[in-house]
Amino acid sequence: LAKTTQPISMDSYEGQEVNITCSHNNIATNDYITWYQQFPSQGPRFIIQGYKTKVTNEVASLFIPADRKSSTLSLPRVSLSDTAVYYCLVEMNTGFQKLVFGTGTRLLVSP
Amino acid sequence: DAGVIQSPRHEVTEMGQEVTLRCKPISGHDYLFWYRQTMMRGLELLIYFNNNVPIDDSGMPEDRFSAKMPNASFSTLKIQPSEPRDSAVYFCASSLAGSGEVTDTQYFGPGTRLTVL
Repeated sequence: LAKTTQPISMDSYEGQEVNITCSHNNIATNDYITWYQQFPSQGPRFIIQGYKTKVTNEVASLFIPADRKSSTLSLPRVSLSDTAVYYCLVEMNTGFQKLVFGTGTRLLVSP
Repeated sequence: DAGVIQSPRHEVTEMGQEVTLRCKPISGHDYLFWYRQTMMRGLELLIYFNNNVPIDDSGMPEDRFSAKMPNASFSTLKIQPSEPRDSAVYFCASSLAGSGEVTDTQYFGPGTRLTVL
């Protein structure tokens, strides 16, 4: 069964850097890796997307090794408002379902 | 743009009843996705369409679930008959896959919270 796994939860303090990793062993060769943020009672919201190496935008960076079997979302200086659940989304090479969300990581940022 | 619109926002029904969830994607988007979210199973893709054609429905739980996209601006997800285990939040999302990638940025609606008693 194709799986996309993430740590269940992480704790941090304001101003710290947070790195969340997603493991996706059976990722398809030719599609993006995308990360989403979800607040309670809302739909997921796009954060960042990449295919390989490193991508950076105004809110985050995404690190993807050459084999693409994992990806790491980096939030440079978190604030209280970054408390949310973070998901990776990939297309898998195997398994009955191809488009798979990660298990989600609940990030709690404290003062 | 108003974003992805879903209706109703909340639905409470009794077991055995038919439930229809509705979605209006962002105008011009090529892809439309239906997801289900529960505490136990997380976010699951049910089905997605490209240019109104169903591409992958392998996530549809069973024959009680059906989805249609009669035109580019409207889609429905129907459950008939509904069961308590169908209780979940159902999200619709759309994307403009300019590069042709199915994992291109998706824009999610606010979701429909379904409770089947």
